[in-house]
Amino acid sequence: DAGVTQSPTHLIKTRGQQVTLRCSPISGHKSVSWYQQVLGQGPQFIFQYYEKEERGRGNFPDRFSARQFPNYSSELNVNALLLGDSALYLCASSLRFSFEAFFGQGTRLTVV
Amino acid sequence: LAKTTQPISMDSYEGQEVNITCSHNNIATNDYITWYQQFPSQGPRFIIQGYKTKVTNEVASLFIPADRKSSTLSLPRVSLSDTAVYYCLVGDHGSSNTGKLIFGQGTTLQVKP
Repeated sequence: DAGVTQSPTHLIKTRGQQVTLRCSPISGHKSVSWYQQVLGQGPQFIFQYYEKEERGRGNFPDRFSARQFPNYSSELNVNALLLGDSALYLCASSLRFSFEAFFGQGTRLTVV
Repeated sequence: LAKTTQPISMDSYEGQEVNITCSHNNIATNDYITWYQQFPSQGPRFIIQGYKTKVTNEVASLFIPADRKSSTLSLPRVSLSDTAVYYCLVGDHGSSNTGKLIFGQGTTLQVKP
């Protein structure tokens, strides 16, 4: 079975631009969460979606938004990019609200 | 969610047993203890989870004393490929849980030949 897949794997954006990151969960998993990991730190929770509804939101500005589609895939959007948004963005899926989450390889975003 | 404290870094040699201790003094009754492993430029990987006493799987063992205020992840006979960051997480599995995982800085384990 395929694991959690994220796209793209890397991208470079300039300040002020907008970016969309994509995540496909493991088949059968209805919960998708997004995390931001800055170099040298642990992942920080951004959003959790379950059954296409937002179930949790971390301490991130409104420039960050997400959604989940009927097939349970998800997108994370970040508007008005700042240099500080440069990070590894991780997507995780799980059956429901579970501490056993399965992470993708992440998308490395560099803002210049 | 209970706050966790673990050593920033540890060194070991191949073939040794490594024990990483995590402190979680304000753990709640409904909280479980979960450990993740992360290699550079990869997402974290679930290792083991427990509530009390001892849990063992093919990768590691988790020891939790009766007061549950700490836990110890034990990696038997480590190899160079076990070099990674290890995170201890504590959280509620009840209906109030949103699936939000709170990661600290983790413990960077360096295994030397």
